Amino acid sequence: GEDVEQSLFLSVREGDSSVINCTYTDSSSTYLYWYKQEPGAGLQLLTYIFSNMDMKQDQRLTVLLNKKDKHLSLRIADTQTGDSAIYFCAETAGGSYIPTFGRGTSLIVHP
Amino acid sequence: DTAVSQTPKYLVTQMGNDKSIKCEQNLGHDTMYWYKQDSKKFLKIMFSYNNKELIINETVPNRFSPKSPDKAHLNLHINSLELGDSAVYFCASSRGTYYTFGSGTRLTVV
Repeated sequence: GEDVEQSLFLSVREGDSSVINCTYTDSSSTYLYWYKQEPGAGLQLLTYIFSNMDMKQDQRLTVLLNKKDKHLSLRIADTQTGDSAIYFCAETAGGSYIPTFGRGTSLIVHP
Repeated sequence: DTAVSQTPKYLVTQMGNDKSIKCEQNLGHDTMYWYKQDSKKFLKIMFSYNNKELIINETVPNRFSPKSPDKAHLNLHINSLELGDSAVYFCASSRGTYYTFGSGTRLTVV
């Protein structure tokens, strides 16, 4: 299996909350990231969490980390059509600063 | 001001040709990268340079040759292009854990 896994698609209604999930295999993960890729654009760092944290909140974004289960989630409150994009989970492990990326989750927000 | 800029944005070329993609960052970052994103959106690192020195060279055909004339530039030259090279190539730079990506170059080999 892959080192970082995420489901490929998520469809939500505008105004609802979106939860994008990610699992990883490396127990020595140090940082975990969420990136957003809009069509035709590069990856934009949304937020990151250090592995000794359980939760991080930044405006509409909430990141939850369950280190025991190696599970990371990104919750977007009050999802808007502008949130439609691909969301990548990534991790760095050991002494490396090179992140390993998941395949990305396409978030589709419909009215 | 664009932090990490890569050119061209689109590149369509025939099999067997040689092409280059350029990347420049104005963030003062020490480390630069090339990533390949395949048709399934999977990002995979190809190369990493730190202060003009190659520090990561993943399993990439030697038809791909990165060149870093200074720490603000990392260009990617590809010889004898093949159909399987079609992908989006992303340049990135970093300082510590903070990464910035370029907007990508979509390479189509026909």
